[in-house]
Amino acid sequence: GQSLEQPSEVTAVEGAIVQINCTYQTSGFYGLSWYQQHDGGAPTFLSYNALDGLEETGRFSSFLSRSDSYGYLLLQELQMKDSASYFCAVRHDYKLSFGAGTTVTVRA
Amino acid sequence: NAGVTQTPKFRVLKTGQSMTLLCAQDMNHEYMYWYRQDPGMGLRLIHYSVGEGTTAKGEVPDGYNVSRLKKQNFLLGLESAAPSQTSVYFCASSPDRGYEQFFGPGTRLTVL
Repeated sequence: GQSLEQPSEVTAVEGAIVQINCTYQTSGFYGLSWYQQHDGGAPTFLSYNALDGLEETGRFSSFLSRSDSYGYLLLQELQMKDSASYFCAVRHDYKLSFGAGTTVTVRA
Repeated sequence: NAGVTQTPKFRVLKTGQSMTLLCAQDMNHEYMYWYRQDPGMGLRLIHYSVGEGTTAKGEVPDGYNVSRLKKQNFLLGLESAAPSQTSVYFCASSPDRGYEQFFGPGTRLTVL
């Protein structure tokens, strides 16, 4: 089976940097994806890491260490619109298994 | 492009009733998925399809059936609804083996 652990909540102020860690245990690991979800709406894809290292997409970056079964999502220059839930998901074969999500609250 | 659409958006059922949730995508994606999301539990995969005419079980398939007769549609059926199936159901599609999935707006189902 698969198991993923990520913090349940993070609070930060506008302009700050937030790191959301994700540790996983899985068989047949292909890569780690990150998704954002606002207020129970449709989750949207943020990034994917198949290899070790850092992937940068604008203010968001994602990191993977396959040897440590660990990844993180880095949110920089936080804005109020970044208040949302963030999910890590391990890809195995054609499927994703999701973590329980991290609720990020951005304060003015 | 409409992307991924789901019908209906809301539904209330009584225990034992049946219903079908429809998912449609206009992006010509091969892979389609049905998830349920419950508070504090993230998204759990119910069933998925890797192409027209194929289906496979996910993590929580019991009580659900699916069909993919056309590439653009993926149907989720509840034969005899139970209160434990009260949830938000999301459909998703993917062009590339699943790591980037495009989600529909969800169906909020309550079973009384």
